[in-house]
Amino acid sequence: GAGVSQTPSNKVTEKGKYVELRCDPISGHTALYWYRQSLGQGPEFLIYFQGTGAADDSGLPNDRFFAVRPEGSVSTLKIQRTERGDSAMYLCASSRGSLDGYTFGSGTRLTVV
Amino acid sequence: SQQGEEDPQALSIQEGENATMNCSYKTSINNLQWYRQNSGRGLVHLILIRSNEREKHSGRLRVTLDTSKKSSSLLITASRAADTASYFCATARGNAGGTSYGKLTFGQGTILTVHP
Repeated sequence: GAGVSQTPSNKVTEKGKYVELRCDPISGHTALYWYRQSLGQGPEFLIYFQGTGAADDSGLPNDRFFAVRPEGSVSTLKIQRTERGDSAMYLCASSRGSLDGYTFGSGTRLTVV
Repeated sequence: SQQGEEDPQALSIQEGENATMNCSYKTSINNLQWYRQNSGRGLVHLILIRSNEREKHSGRLRVTLDTSKKSSSLLITASRAADTASYFCATARGNAGGTSYGKLTFGQGTILTVHP
């Protein structure tokens, strides 16, 4: 597609529920990144895919967070047993390679009530 | 302190003035990038400067990099009200092979307000 698409744009869920956030990167971009951003802060790295594999998942805060990219294109970030502290903007980005700038999606604003 | 710290945290100027934002970082890098973010939504890539470059221009943007001081600056000339946004620097670390790890580490950002 023309840009990075993230769905849904907003998600409100109850504490303890499971959520999935979807990212559709730019066609042909092999690298895909997930970041989380709290209000007034810079984006915080979560996980980075090169193709289908997670090249670096060191930013995932705990085992409630998991991400997949089974066919090397669309990626899903999954959060189990959500907590109020998970409320944030979740940003996805893609790039052609490690020396290129990222193209970000518009983000999914997750609110856990 | 975090990798990629911007200074100042907030900057308020009049339209037509120049805006300068600074970024400091701690570890060696492969490249440094600047991004803009409007209204808390997605970030927009502005410019990338590699560790072997000292200055780069793109339209009204000028970026400098001083690897000896581990710092970078972003200059926006002849600012416009539409430049009002948060600006972030982000660093990509290098590896032994001379390429970068894909992961970018972002700073806290500078909030720029340009008054008409």
